Amino acid sequence: GQQVQQSPASLVLQEGENAELQCNFSSTATRLQWFYQHPGGRLVSLFYNPSGTKHTGRLTSTTVTNERRGSLHISSSQTTDSGTYFCAIDRGNTRKLIFGLGTTLQVQP
Amino acid sequence: EAAVTQSPRSKVAVTGGKVTLSCHQTNNHDYMYWYRQDTGHGLRLIHYSYVADSTEKGDIPDGYKASRPSQENFSLILELASLSQTAVYFCASRTGVSNERLFFGHGTKLSVL
Repeated sequence: GQQVQQSPASLVLQEGENAELQCNFSSTATRLQWFYQHPGGRLVSLFYNPSGTKHTGRLTSTTVTNERRGSLHISSSQTTDSGTYFCAIDRGNTRKLIFGLGTTLQVQP
Repeated sequence: EAAVTQSPRSKVAVTGGKVTLSCHQTNNHDYMYWYRQDTGHGLRLIHYSYVADSTEKGDIPDGYKASRPSQENFSLILELASLSQTAVYFCASRTGVSNERLFFGHGTKLSVL
């Protein structure tokens, strides 16, 4: 079955609102990462966060490994945040990096 | 920012033909990956490699071969291209120690007709 589950599948916000994206993974998963895919297709690394909390700009990544979950918080959303956000994990102790199906975010002006 | 270069950026191939997608990284990374992206399926792992002259199967390896002749280069080979292999293909690389962020190339849009 799907080892990485992301929710919600899609989200529509008004500019200025906050967003919380969730990523749940199996017990044999490690080394969580977050990515952003531009509407044109380019994939960009946001966070490598195996555990704890990391911040960059308006983004916060939190990973709670023993609860098998991660989250990406976007504060004060902007229209340029629109796109698809993926989380990914390594399967077991390998570097076989597996992706969730993504959360598509649309921020309206 | 780490650099991963894919070529070609797009390609049209005929059914049954051979297709080679190339990937080059200048990051001195050990791990390289090939993913395909289809609408509704996210990114699916085809093959990956952790060292030159060695490749590993991902989740959807059937119909694809991979080659890692050097640390910098990783190719994906479709010996007999099929319609179902129409997709966008992404190459990526990462180190295997400390900050293991994955860096992607721009992608190759492959259309098999």
